[in-house]
Amino acid sequence: SQTIHQWPATLVQPVGSPLSLECTVEGTSNPNLYWYRQAAGRGLQLLFYSVGIGQISSEVPQNLSASRPQDRQFILSSKKLLLSDSGFYLCAWTGRADGELFFGEGSRLTVL
Amino acid sequence: KQEVTQIPAALSVPEGENLVLNCSFTDSAIYNLQWFRQDPGKGLTSLLLIQSSQREQTSGRLNASLDKSSGRSTLYIAASQPGDSATYLCAVNSGNTPLVFGKGTRLSVIA
Repeated sequence: SQTIHQWPATLVQPVGSPLSLECTVEGTSNPNLYWYRQAAGRGLQLLFYSVGIGQISSEVPQNLSASRPQDRQFILSSKKLLLSDSGFYLCAWTGRADGELFFGEGSRLTVL
Repeated sequence: KQEVTQIPAALSVPEGENLVLNCSFTDSAIYNLQWFRQDPGKGLTSLLLIQSSQREQTSGRLNASLDKSSGRSTLYIAASQPGDSATYLCAVNSGNTPLVFGKGTRLSVIA
């Protein structure tokens, strides 16, 4: 069966520090991968999605970036965090013919 | 551009009640619609996926319906329990673009 792993689960970082959140999917190949952010009291915001290795689409301009170095690995990064980057970050994947989307457990980032 | 709306934003019901959560979307040319549950501080759990050719899907006490022509979907929860308390989100897949999410309905089932 397919599983998705996301880490770290919780992160507290000072403003201006770098960020790396990692997501891996097991049990499937060539998934579509997604990074979402959920800020307090707001809906899900799609940040990046990828349909293959090295293929990244960005939905919103910001100081975050994403990379897909391997088929089932998706990384969210920042060189310098801002206070506004605080939030709950969710990785998701879809690969089945029916298009069902599955989410990881999320990473809570607090920037101080 | 697809827009998804969920009403109400919050709902509180006594245990045992049957309830309906609503989801509407602006563009009826969809590939599928998915309902999710989110517990506080957790990721989203997929509940039901309805393909555009289907009218409804059922899983246990949950039943989701889809009316593409009117741009509506409903999630019916039978005999609600306190453990059903969570935020419920619907998301629409229009094919070649990523899913568009509603903002969710926060459900509280009171014992």
